[in-house]
Amino acid sequence: AQSVTQLDSQVPVFEEAPVELRCNYSSSVSVYLFWYVQYPNQGLQLLLKYLSGSTLVESINGFEAEFNKSQTSFHLRKPSVHISDTAEYFCAVTNYGGSQGNLIFGKGTKLSVKP
Amino acid sequence: DTGVSQNPRHKITKRGQNVTFRCDPISEHNRLYWYRQTLGQGPEFLTYFQNEAQLEKSRLLSDRFSAERPKGSFSTLEIQRTEQGDSAMYLCASSRGTSGSPDTQYFGPGTRLTVL
Repeated sequence: AQSVTQLDSQVPVFEEAPVELRCNYSSSVSVYLFWYVQYPNQGLQLLLKYLSGSTLVESINGFEAEFNKSQTSFHLRKPSVHISDTAEYFCAVTNYGGSQGNLIFGKGTKLSVKP
Repeated sequence: DTGVSQNPRHKITKRGQNVTFRCDPISEHNRLYWYRQTLGQGPEFLTYFQNEAQLEKSRLLSDRFSAERPKGSFSTLEIQRTEQGDSAMYLCASSRGTSGSPDTQYFGPGTRLTVL
């Protein structure tokens, strides 16, 4: 069985500071990894994903995540956050070669960016 | 592309009543998923359809829950004899359903169910 652990339920940071949202997964098979973001009063949106190839993946709004197989991690980082990044972020996995219908989500990390 | 829509957005019901939610996926998306999200938790997978075929169901989907996707377009999720523990946000997502690596799931805004 797979599981996802997001180690921080809330992360407060000041604007323009760097941030790291941690995600660790557990799986006996190879996985695909995702970060979704939920802005206030909006639905979940895909931020970035790792399927294969380069272990460093980037989003269009400056976030990046690195797949580390040995540490079973997929931490999300941004070197300088904006007020508009305030949202809840969810890490998710699905197993390679499986039905691909079953995203397993972590509990989420609420990022609040203060001026 | 108008996105995934869900109706109603909010539903308040009394324990023991039946409720039905509707999800309209992005047009031409073959796969449709249902998730449930309770307070302080991430979404939990319930079931998914490839066209009209229901291919996977979670153990969370008790026999009081039933989902359909007639004709492979919109989907309905029905909960019979609701219980207070059913109170949650019910999320629908759709994806193109391409073979090989997983495609992006696009989520709707959700239906918030409150069981009194």
